Amino acid sequence: GEEVAQTPKHLVRGEGQKAKLYCAPIKGHSYVFWYQQVLKNEFKFLISFQNENVFDETGMPKERFSAKCLPNSPCSLEIQATKLEDSAVYFCASSLWSARFSNQPQHFGDGTRLSIL
Amino acid sequence: AQTVTQSQPEMSVQEAETVTLSCTYDTSESDYYLFWYKQPPSRQMILVIRQEAYKQQNATENRFSVNFQKAAKSFSLKISDSQLGDAAMYFCAYRSAVETSGSRLTFGEGTQLTVNP
Repeated sequence: GEEVAQTPKHLVRGEGQKAKLYCAPIKGHSYVFWYQQVLKNEFKFLISFQNENVFDETGMPKERFSAKCLPNSPCSLEIQATKLEDSAVYFCASSLWSARFSNQPQHFGDGTRLSIL
Repeated sequence: AQTVTQSQPEMSVQEAETVTLSCTYDTSESDYYLFWYKQPPSRQMILVIRQEAYKQQNATENRFSVNFQKAAKSFSLKISDSQLGDAAMYFCAYRSAVETSGSRLTFGEGTQLTVNP
């Protein structure tokens, strides 16, 4: 599609439950990024993919967070054993790979608001 | 690691007036990209303008322009003829040019812009 599609828009989980978020990047975009925006507006980078391969996972809290981008499926971000501090808006973004133009911007989805009760 | 600082948590402007939002960054890289994103209450992340570090000419997009001072590591956004629809949170962001389009964005803390009628 022409937009980054994130589902669901809002997800509510009890502390300790699992949460799974989905992202369909713009068709033809090779890179997918996940960011976490906490209540003070701070953006934290989590992980990025180049097609189905992890590109950069240095922002990922590996103990409970995992992510995948499989062929012909939406990308996913999964949080096991959620904690109150995981409450945030999770944004997915995608960008085009270009050998000629490397200044491709990241296009963002509308985000998934995760509320941990 | 790169850092981005927006020293103005809040700014206000009268409709039809001009306002400038400040952004400074710290990096040891010589080639990179800078962006301004707008986030209205709907929480969409909308790209406003981008600047390549190797270009001396300041980027402009209609009523939006930047003042890019590479030596000072400063990247301010000027909004001319402010409109009510410009009210939003504005984020300054940095991206390394090392890994083509795959590099993460590093965001500033954001500036909340209010437009008064």
